[in-house]
Amino acid sequence: QVHLVESGGGVVQSGRSLRLSCVVSGFTFSSYGMHWVRQAPGKGLEWVAVISDDGNNKHYLDSVRGRFTISRDNSKNTLYLQMNSLRGEDTAVYYCAKGPLGGHLSYWGQGTLVTVSS
Amino acid sequence: EIVLTQSPATLSLSPGERATLSCRASQSVSSYFAWYQQKPGQAPRLLIYDASNRATGIPARFSGSGSGTDFTLTISSLEPGDFAVYYCQQRADWPLTFGGGTRLEIK
Repeated sequence: QVHLVESGGGVVQSGRSLRLSCVVSGFTFSSYGMHWVRQAPGKGLEWVAVISDDGNNKHYLDSVRGRFTISRDNSKNTLYLQMNSLRGEDTAVYYCAKGPLGGHLSYWGQGTLVTVSS
Repeated sequence: EIVLTQSPATLSLSPGERATLSCRASQSVSSYFAWYQQKPGQAPRLLIYDASNRATGIPARFSGSGSGTDFTLTISSLEPGDFAVYYCQQRADWPLTFGGGTRLEIK
């Protein structure tokens, strides 16, 4: 079975940093692109970033480009999202999801909540 | 960015009825289109990809159609577990975008 487990969320002050992790199992991690998608409380889904299977290609939502960095460690089956200069509007549940670089998202983790306080 | 507009925002139906959910894109996305279901407190689940292909394990009562700018998700006969929020998504251009969602509620 495919499993994706996010961690690293929490309460952080505006302007500070946080790193999210997503550990996966049940598929060959190094063969698939991976995404981060977020959902603000009571709101819809917003795609954040994607990384290719080999880590060489990345795309970002404009509002996070330059502040967030997506990366992966294929030897650890782990996806990361380094979030710097956090803002109140970054408050959301962050999901990692399996999917090709420009594709649909076939499996999702349960999410980790990030709350940015002022 | 490609904007996806879902309608209606809320759909009230009874179990056994047919549900038709719509999504319109601000420009053509060809068939690079997906539908997801999200229940309260849960992660989204992929239902349909490439406009009309059911994802693994998705029952045949779910079907998708459309291409270009207009897409439809049809649930042929609603079951109690189908009442949820449904999102559409395009992958034709960056950034990937989602619609605002349709809440399917029990009448």
